[in-house]
Amino acid sequence: TQLLEQSPQFLSIQEGENLTVYCNSSSVFSSLQWYRQEPGEGPVLLVTVVTGGEVKKLKRLTFQFGDARKDSSLHITAAQPGDTGLYLCAGLVAYNFNKFYFGSGTKLNVKP
Amino acid sequence: DTAVSQTPKYLVTQMGNDKSIKCEQNLGHDTMYWYKQDSKKFLKIMFSYNNKELIINETVPNRFSPKSPDKAHLNLHINSLELGDSAVYFCASSHRLAGAQIADTQYFGPGTRLTVL
Repeated sequence: TQLLEQSPQFLSIQEGENLTVYCNSSSVFSSLQWYRQEPGEGPVLLVTVVTGGEVKKLKRLTFQFGDARKDSSLHITAAQPGDTGLYLCAGLVAYNFNKFYFGSGTKLNVKP
Repeated sequence: DTAVSQTPKYLVTQMGNDKSIKCEQNLGHDTMYWYKQDSKKFLKIMFSYNNKELIINETVPNRFSPKSPDKAHLNLHINSLELGDSAVYFCASSHRLAGAQIADTQYFGPGTRLTVL
């Protein structure tokens, strides 16, 4: 059983479409991160959200942390082929030596 | 001037062998991690070291032994390799904020793809 469940697992869309990826848990996290991983490489941090209800924007990407700090979403507007990759959420359990729990991942393919 | 480097990139070996993976970071971080990513892309923490001290040791078979000779290096030695050990192993580093509630950025290496035949 994974602490963080992501949905959908796979997403294949056309360039220009919008999409939302969800990261859900029954546990409370002190902060949550989103990473993007490209084939043959390690994950790269996109954003860290800390406060319940927080919304952060990174160009066409919008990240939201749930009010109860148990879930998060990533919304991409007007997706581009360069957005293709594996998106991972990671939750930090407070007072647990910086122990990160990663989500199951969402593989996004944006077709030109 | 790679931030987190791992060697080797690929490792193919027979069941029962012993192998090591090396990791080095030049970011001046005091915390380093080993993660295992399985075929379904699930990334799970194995170990974490802070200032050469083991602080996270997940439920990992004792065939896996991490070693940190200094703050910039964290190696992973695996004894008696099994088929189920096949995966991509990632090293990562970050600053560690004691009692932190805010996660610091983790910088990942490129990964080592281990295949056990």
